Amino acid sequence: KAGVTQTPRYLIKTRGQQVTLSCSPISGHRSVSWYQQTPGQGLQFLFEYFSETQRNKGNFPGRFSGRQFSNSRSEMNVSTLELGDSALYLCASSPGGAGVGEQYFGPGTRLTVT
Amino acid sequence: AQSVTQLDSQVPVFEEAPVELRCNYSSSVSVYLFWYVQYPNQGLQLLLKYLSGSTLVESINGFEAEFNKSQTSFHLRKPSVHISDTAEYFCAVKGGGSNYKLTFGKGTLLTVNP
Repeated sequence: KAGVTQTPRYLIKTRGQQVTLSCSPISGHRSVSWYQQTPGQGLQFLFEYFSETQRNKGNFPGRFSGRQFSNSRSEMNVSTLELGDSALYLCASSPGGAGVGEQYFGPGTRLTVT
Repeated sequence: AQSVTQLDSQVPVFEEAPVELRCNYSSSVSVYLFWYVQYPNQGLQLLLKYLSGSTLVESINGFEAEFNKSQTSFHLRKPSVHISDTAEYFCAVKGGGSNYKLTFGKGTLLTVNP
């Protein structure tokens, strides 16, 4: 089975712009979660989608949003980029039904905001 | 709310020496516990997990972790490390139910020297 894929792998944007990151989960997985990783704050949960609905949300401002499509692929969007949004954005997929919900991570998208 | 504390931010060891990476968690509910490993410029890989049952869990590459409920710990150990084990290791906790949020520790950078 193919793993979680994320595109693009690297991105450079300017303050004030917006960006969209994409994640394709493992085939058959219906839950997609997003995390932000920075040297200062570590790994922080952004949100989780299941069957096209946001099921859980972390403590991030409204500039961070996401969605999930019927094929379980997910996108996250960051509007009005700030320098502090520079980070590695990780997507994780999980089967999503009853059970533990082990998460499998993609390679991440490295976003640099200048 | 849950939290995870990884007691050492960096652990340098020599090749073939034993190592222990410490992890303590705090939660008001039953939890699932995980260790993830991150190699440079890569995403997170699931190393091992505690779900229920035997408190000692093992990975395929020689790592093991023991769940200790009374001490709320989930320390990771390996009796003999290799250069290739050099990476950052993250302990994570997840509550039950449909909340798929993983709460991570700050990570421990394991450096194996020849």
